[in-house]
Amino acid sequence: DAGVIQSPRHEVTEMGQEVTLRCKPISGHNSLFWYRQTMMRGLELLIYFNNNVPIDDSGMPEDRFSAKMPNASFSTLKIQPSEPRDSAVYFCASTLRTSGELFFGEGSRLTVL
Amino acid sequence: KQEVTQIPAALSVPEGENLVLNCSFTDSAIYNLQWFRQDPGKGLTSLLLIQSSQREQTSGRLNASLDKSSGRSTLYIAASQPGDSATYLCALDQGGSEKLVFGKGTKLTVNP
Repeated sequence: DAGVIQSPRHEVTEMGQEVTLRCKPISGHNSLFWYRQTMMRGLELLIYFNNNVPIDDSGMPEDRFSAKMPNASFSTLKIQPSEPRDSAVYFCASTLRTSGELFFGEGSRLTVL
Repeated sequence: KQEVTQIPAALSVPEGENLVLNCSFTDSAIYNLQWFRQDPGKGLTSLLLIQSSQREQTSGRLNASLDKSSGRSTLYIAASQPGDSATYLCALDQGGSEKLVFGKGTKLTVNP
């Protein structure tokens, strides 16, 4: 298996623009997580899905952030409008609920100017 | 609220040394504890997963232990190598929840 695939790997945009990050989880995994990593705050869970259904979005910082999982093989995290403080590395991870072991993608590094 | 602490934030050792990385947590009602490795510019790679009923796990030169009563986990690396240089993070979930809470990691440098 190719692992968790994220795109784009790097995104540089200007404040106010819309940003869409994409994730393809490992085939057969039924839970998907979006994390954000910064130097100051470390890794923070933004939202997670079980069987494509959002379970907990309490970590989503504000209404500018939204996430969808239309099917078992694809998820998006959207920021609109983006702000400089959104600059971070965004990770997608997936797991098979019964195993508990979490597999991460390589991350999407977002820079908002 | 669960808090996970990893001390020290950075550690530098000579090649060949055995070392221990520490992870402490405030709420012992956990289900799983995982240790991850992160290389610069990369995602996290799961190293070891200790489930609630277990006390330790081993993989090659790595051994992780879990003591819920004291709120501690340790990752032991035997005969360290330069290729072990990375940031090591521990993460744990609460019983019944899949939400992992991460420590901020220990950045390990193994000098040749």
